[in-house]
Parts: sequence; structure tokens; C-alpha cells
Amino acid sequence: DAGVIQSPRHEVTEMGQEVTLRCKPISGHDYLFWYRQTMMRGLELLIYFNNNVPIDDSGMPEDRFSAKMPNASFSTLKIQPSEPRDSAVYFCASTQNRVLRFFGPGTRLTVL
Amino acid sequence: SQELEQSPQSLIVQEGKNLTINCTSSKTLYGLYWYKQKYGEGLIFLMMLQKGGEEKSHEKITAKLDEKKQQSSLHITASQPSHAGIYLCGADYGGSEKLVFGKGTKLTVNP
Repeated sequence: DAGVIQSPRHEVTEMGQEVTLRCKPISGHDYLFWYRQTMMRGLELLIYFNNNVPIDDSGMPEDRFSAKMPNASFSTLKIQPSEPRDSAVYFCASTQNRVLRFFGPGTRLTVL
Repeated sequence: SQELEQSPQSLIVQEGKNLTINCTSSKTLYGLYWYKQKYGEGLIFLMMLQKGGEEKSHEKITAKLDEKKQQSSLHITASQPSHAGIYLCGADYGGSEKLVFGKGTKLTVNP
């Protein structure tokens, strides 16, 4: 199994541009999580899905952030427009039994 | 104040030494997770504890959850350079699948 796959691994963009982060969960997992990690705030949950349905998006910072899960094998996190304070490492994680074992390698986002 | 506190923030030890990392919650835990992270990589799941007084071991790493389910410790015996990284605890307070994470403990093991 390839594990949780995220792309791109690194993204550098300019303020105001749209950014799309992608995640492919492990096959058969019905929970998918998006986390953001910064030095100041640590690891924070943005949103999570169960069976492709968003369950809790209370961690999404503001309307500039949106996440979708059109099917069981793909999810996107979009930032539009991006701002320098969005610079962080974004992790996707998946699980099938509430025990959060599998994280992706992360996408390091830099907004100039 | 932070819901979940980890200590110390960083730790430098000589290879072969034992060490302990602590994770303290302001609320009773439903479950407590331990992860290891290397720079530029994702989190690697180590252990999950749910019962008060529970103790689990994996190779030279032992994690314990206190009886009150508000504090956990991670103990490494005879540390090796391969143990170096950032150790994070994640708290499950029940009611949902959300985890709240501590800020992490950066461990350096000098050969």
C-alpha cells in the first residue's frame, strides 16, 4: 500500500493566487482529515470527512479556505486568494476505525 | 491557556541515556495518541492509550496513561540517534474523531 498520498509536496505561490492541495487516502479508509502545522500554532485540524461528507469544518480559518471530497479516493483543499499567513505544512490523514494512524507526507506551502 | 501541554519543548541527550516526555491535559482524556515526526515528513503513529493506568511498549519506547486519564508519559530507554525527531501527543476528548495536539517535543540524540 502506498499510504496517504499528497501533492504537491512543495508549493510556492504569490499572495492572491489560488492554491489547490490534493490528497489520496488509503483505499478502504472512510475518514479523511486535513491538518495544518505551523511553528506558532502547532498542528490544527481544519476539516474532516466521513464517507465523503464533511463532518466538522470548524477549524477552517475563513471563507478563503474550502475543501471537497468528490469520491472516496480523492480530496482537495483550496485557498483562494492565498495570503502569506497561510504559509504552513498541510497534512492529510486517513483512517477506517477512529484510530488516526496514517498521515501523508504533507505539502509545504509558501505564500510570498 | 493551552488545552494540552507537552514538556519539555526540547531535549538533548547523549546516546544510551534514558529520557521521558510528558503530556498533560486540562481535561479528562478519552484517548491519548503518541506520534513521531521527522523534519519534512508526516507523523508516524507510535501508540494509543485509552484506559487509566494503561501502559504500552514498542521496542524501546514505553507510553503510560495515568489513572485519572489526564497525563501521559513517553519513556525511551537507551536512546539512539534513530530516536531523534519531534514527538507529539494528540488528545481525543471523545464525542468526535477530532484530535487536539500538543506543540511537540524536539529530541536530539548525540552519538
